[in-house]
Amino acid sequence: GQQLNQSPQSMFIQEGEDVSMNCTSSSIFNTWLWYKQDPGEGPVLLIALYKAGELTSNGRLTAQFGITRKDSFLNISASIPSDVGIYFCAGPRGGSGGSNYKLTFGKGTLLTVNP
Amino acid sequence: NAGVMQNPRHLVRRRGQEARLRCSPMKGHSHVYWYRQLPEEGLKFMVYLQKENIIDESGMPKERFSAEFPKEGPSILRIQQVVRGDSAAYFCASSRRFLAGGSYNEQFFGPGTRLTVL
Repeated sequence: GQQLNQSPQSMFIQEGEDVSMNCTSSSIFNTWLWYKQDPGEGPVLLIALYKAGELTSNGRLTAQFGITRKDSFLNISASIPSDVGIYFCAGPRGGSGGSNYKLTFGKGTLLTVNP
Repeated sequence: NAGVMQNPRHLVRRRGQEARLRCSPMKGHSHVYWYRQLPEEGLKFMVYLQKENIIDESGMPKERFSAEFPKEGPSILRIQQVVRGDSAAYFCASSRRFLAGGSYNEQFFGPGTRLTVL
């Protein structure tokens, strides 16, 4: 099946530093999604990307949809302690009736921010 | 607006028992999805349901697992005769009816049920 490879697996940074993580796939995705999961909670959508080459920001977060449609990256600027969590990339793939509802998730990047 | 609700949040079962996980979608959402997350893994799709219909159960194990979304009440994921390998976090997500053109329809996730099989 399709797999999403995320790197790095984990990051330890100081508060105030910038962070970059990426996600690659062997298959094309038409939509890229970035989620954050806090401990003991479900994933929350941070950014959705719908067009190859698209660069989208949400506060201190910026994500880009790769031109090849096989990769995406997420940047976090000026990290703060509440950025701690697991960041997942995900892509919807086709289901029945032509609708894209099956989300494929990467294994996540665990971010730790030292105050 | 209440989000997606799941209960119980934590469930402990002994091998061979049954586990029932419940999910109430967001208000106005008629599509429900179940995902499973093993330790240090991403979420994996299990099943997609609409009211009284299973649309796609291609990600669900063929035996011991079943799901339903009745006309009234929450969606239920049922695992019979649980084994240790069923220990995982099970997440439910919901969405509105689909938009035209096959575009992605945002799924909102619940807080999950963490199942531990002793």
